[in-house]
Amino acid sequence: GQQVMQIPQYQHVQEGEDFTTYCNSSTTLSNIQWYKQRPGGHPVFLIQLVKSGEVKKQKRLTFQFGEAKKNSSLHITATQTTDVGTYFCADGNTDKLIFGTGTRLQVFP
Amino acid sequence: GAGVSQSPRYKVAKRGQDVALRCDPISGHVSLFWYQQALGQGPEFLTYFQNEAQLDKSGLPSDRFFAERPEGSVSTLKIQRTQQEDSAVYLCASSHLPTGSNEKLFFGSGTQLSVL
Repeated sequence: GQQVMQIPQYQHVQEGEDFTTYCNSSTTLSNIQWYKQRPGGHPVFLIQLVKSGEVKKQKRLTFQFGEAKKNSSLHITATQTTDVGTYFCADGNTDKLIFGTGTRLQVFP
Repeated sequence: GAGVSQSPRYKVAKRGQDVALRCDPISGHVSLFWYQQALGQGPEFLTYFQNEAQLDKSGLPSDRFFAERPEGSVSTLKIQRTQQEDSAVYLCASSHLPTGSNEKLFFGSGTQLSVL
């Protein structure tokens, strides 16, 4: 079945370092959404990407959609302790969102 | 309400017991989704409603799971004869458009179900 894989599964960084998570799909994505889930919290929408090669920025966060629309990435510049949480990509290829496996980010002060 | 509301926040059930989980979506939201999230995993789709119509229930793991949204607003997820493998956080999400995949989802805080 359809799978959305994310790497790495888990990453520790020192505050101020950069962080990137990658999302890869076995099928072409019509659109991709990114969510953040804080420890003990629920997923919160960050952004949606629709166009091939699209790049969107939100302050220190940069989101990219691959040219072939089979992968996406989220890059955080100069991480802060408030960035702690699990980042999920989600494939909107059908009538429901299929979530990726997630990347758990830990930031040490 | 201001957001998606789920109750109870925590539920402990004995194996074999029936449970009912409630979701109150954002007022006016057409689409409602149920997801199951096991510890350390991503949310797994269970079922989807557009108003009162259940359009997709392909993710329900067994016939012990049943969901309804009779008036197109509040939804209930019922699990009969709970098993230990049902232990997870059950997340409800809603969106205002009929087709959820092109619109962001607003999630509730979830119900953490523990089956002993």
